[in-house]
This record gives sequence, structure tokens and C-alpha cells, in this order.
Amino acid sequence: GQQVMQIPQYQHVQEGEDFTTYCNSSTTLSNIQWYKQRPGGHPVFLIQLVKSGEVKKQKRLTFQFGEAKKNSSLHITATQTTDVGTYFCAPGGSQFYFGTGTSLTVIP
Amino acid sequence: GAVVSQHPSRVICKSGTSVKIECRSLDFQATTMFWYRQFPKQSLMLMATSNEGSKATYEQGVEKDKFLINHASLTLSTLTVTSAHPEDSSFYICSAMTLGSQYNEQFFGPGTRLTVL
Repeated sequence: GQQVMQIPQYQHVQEGEDFTTYCNSSTTLSNIQWYKQRPGGHPVFLIQLVKSGEVKKQKRLTFQFGEAKKNSSLHITATQTTDVGTYFCAPGGSQFYFGTGTSLTVIP
Repeated sequence: GAVVSQHPSRVICKSGTSVKIECRSLDFQATTMFWYRQFPKQSLMLMATSNEGSKATYEQGVEKDKFLINHASLTLSTLTVTSAHPEDSSFYICSAMTLGSQYNEQFFGPGTRLTVL
């Protein structure tokens, strides 16, 4: 199955710094979803993007869908220790192939 | 909210035995359930997609005779790892989708950690 690449694979930030993860696909996506998985936990749905160029915000999290609908990003402003976890993008559709994930560590 | 349970949460078994994992949607009817496998520090790898009352669709490289999936009702899917071997040790997670949810998102179970000795 298809898999989208995410960069970076790992990111360590000081608490209060910003963080961004990028999701890149070689094909045009109908929509894309983002999930967060805490250490030892299971993925939890964050958001879905559908429209070209779409931007959505959830408090300190900003999600973008590229104009060509081939890439997406998640930006966290002023990270907190509660943001620790792995963030996955997942192209939507009838089947779900998760991205490679970005593991975020926040240093207090 | 939509809740998905998995049982057992952890299982240790001897090589050659079969292990059954249950995935239940507790407060909604799941039209589609997914089974994933996740190795340490890796992404979730889709194993199969199952719709209630029909045969599961397996991903390339996943042996359907080894990983038996049954989706007998709209609230229950089971994954049976037959003749398990140490290389089958992994974190198995199920998820469920339902028609009518706003985003068609997946609701994940807490996962089952399988260790084969």
C-alpha cells in the first residue's frame, strides 16, 4: 500500500519552542487526517483536511493542506510537555495508510 | 464519544499456539474495522480491512491463513494469529469506522501487545 513520508522522523524541542512536521505524498490526496499517539497509547484523531490550501487551527495546533493536495503540515506553537507523542498523517479514503510519523520530545 | 475496546491487552504465548484478539465498538455500530500491526518506534502498518458480513481484504504480504479475521457483527471483529512465532510479536491495534461520523475518522482500540516465546 501507499505510504506517505513524514519529516523529521524525530524532533527534540525545549518547552516553549515551536514544532512542525511535514507530510509528503507522491500522489494527489482526496483528503488527509492527522492523529496523535502518546507513548504506550493508541492513535487519537486530531483533524481532517479536505480542500486545497485549507488551514485549520486547534488552539496551539495549525494544520495546513497544500495547494496541490500532495502535502500537509502540522505546526505546534509554544510546545508543552503534554504535546509529547508521535504525530501521524493518514491519507483518507476507504483504506488508511499511515505516514511514517514524527516523534516529538519536549524537554522541560 | 466512540469507544473501541480490545481484549486481551497483553498476551504471552508459546511458539506454535494460536492467539485470538477481540475488537469491540462499545457505543456505535462499526461498518468497517481495520487491523494494524506496529513494531517499536515504527508506524502503524495496515494488515487488513474488514466489513461486517464479508471477507476481509488483506494487504499485500499479509498471509490471510495466518491472520484470520472475522467480522461477525457490527460491533465485533476478531483477529486470530495462528501458529504464532516469535517474529509475530508486535503491538496489534484495531480501529473502527462508522457511517455518519462527521470526518469518517477511525476510532482506535487500546491495542494488544503480543509476545511469542
